Amino acid sequence: ETGVTQSPTHLIKTRGQQVTLRCSSQSGHNTVSWYQQALGQGPQFIFQYYREEENGRGNFPPRFSGLQFPNYSSELNVNALELDDSALYLCASSDRRSGETQYFGPGTRLLVL
Amino acid sequence: QQQVKQSPQSLIVQKGGIPIINCAYENTAFDYFPWYQQFPGKGPALLIAIRPDVSEKKEGRFTISFNKSAKQFSLHIMDSQPGDSATYFCAARGRVTGKLIFGQGTTLQVKP
Repeated sequence: ETGVTQSPTHLIKTRGQQVTLRCSSQSGHNTVSWYQQALGQGPQFIFQYYREEENGRGNFPPRFSGLQFPNYSSELNVNALELDDSALYLCASSDRRSGETQYFGPGTRLLVL
Repeated sequence: QQQVKQSPQSLIVQKGGIPIINCAYENTAFDYFPWYQQFPGKGPALLIAIRPDVSEKKEGRFTISFNKSAKQFSLHIMDSQPGDSATYFCAARGRVTGKLIFGQGTTLQVKP
């Protein structure tokens, strides 16, 4: 059983640029959730994907968007990057059919200059 | 709009001590309460979780106590070890949305 993987591990961008982060869900999991974790804070829910459709969204602007693919992997896209977007972006996978537990990947550390 | 409040913000105990971390929630539409452990530079790892129809759950050295009427739950770490030094987050899962709402985190240091 493979765990949740994310890429890249670190990324540096400048303000106004666009970024794509990737997540491979744990084997057998059909739901992917994305979270933003600012330094010293708890993770904040961005959105969740199930069956390739967005299934719930937190208080994040539309420039945060995502995709889920048929193999349940997912992408998080952020347009028009702002300095405050600097954070650890976490992906969590779960199996909607069997339970509530969300398993997190190691995260992608994004720095916006 | 903080729906899960966690305390204390930081905690220092001696090896063998029993640190206790507390969380309170405001919304009754939660159906699952996990605790995560996070080491620097790593993603959160599930430690233990409880459903609101259970008042206590124990797994190894970790115990969750749950008080549904008070909307509070806590994590106890028995016989704490220096390797337990990490940041701990409580969370609550929305019954309808499935999203996790996290507390602000508690940084635990266990001194040898």
